[in-house]
Amino acid sequence: QKEVEQDPGPLSVPEGAIVSLNCTYSNSAFQYFMWYRQYSRKGPELLMYTYSSGNKEDGRFTAQVDKSSKYISLFIRDSQPSDSATYLCVVTFNQAGTALIFGKGTTLSVSS
Amino acid sequence: NAGVTQTPKFQVLKTGQSMTLQCAQDMNHEYMSWYRQDPGMGLRLIHYSVGAGITDQGEVPNGYNVSRSTTEDFPLRLLSAAPSQTSVYFCASSYTSLQPQHFGDGTRLSIL
Repeated sequence: QKEVEQDPGPLSVPEGAIVSLNCTYSNSAFQYFMWYRQYSRKGPELLMYTYSSGNKEDGRFTAQVDKSSKYISLFIRDSQPSDSATYLCVVTFNQAGTALIFGKGTTLSVSS
Repeated sequence: NAGVTQTPKFQVLKTGQSMTLQCAQDMNHEYMSWYRQDPGMGLRLIHYSVGAGITDQGEVPNGYNVSRSTTEDFPLRLLSAAPSQTSVYFCASSYTSLQPQHFGDGTRLSIL
């Protein structure tokens, strides 16, 4: 079983839609949860970063972590064509020197 | 403030050739790392460094060498290129390994 599972998509939605991106992870020892966005031919850039269960909001983006079910979600409200990218969920341990563990990414396309 | 700069952006090599991928950051980050990104595989850690003079192996280190003589630079060397090393290589940095990393825009490497 992979440590982080993510549906690769592609996911296509119309502009203005609410988007839900999801990941599951296998190891309950993971403590940090991140979402990165990667545009075509660019490096990943950090979108959201959270430590605890619950919701964290930043503008149109909401990250949700449910540690009891090992489930991570990213919600995008009022999606825009500029949101078209690949979204990577990332987990890691609370231990210095340990690596980030990346999901394979979900490709999102928002049409105008 | 340039962030993480990777050179070259593109490179084509022949099997058996060696080369160095350059990575420089101007954020005074102690932690630097190299990843490769392959279709359907996600990002995988090659090598990382927690500070000048200290390096360690990641998930897929075979065929690659690194050194860290300064805080700013973390070059990745391919010793004898193989077609299996065709990939997109990303360098990343952060203040510590527990913090989200900043990524460069990658080096696209093809080995014939």
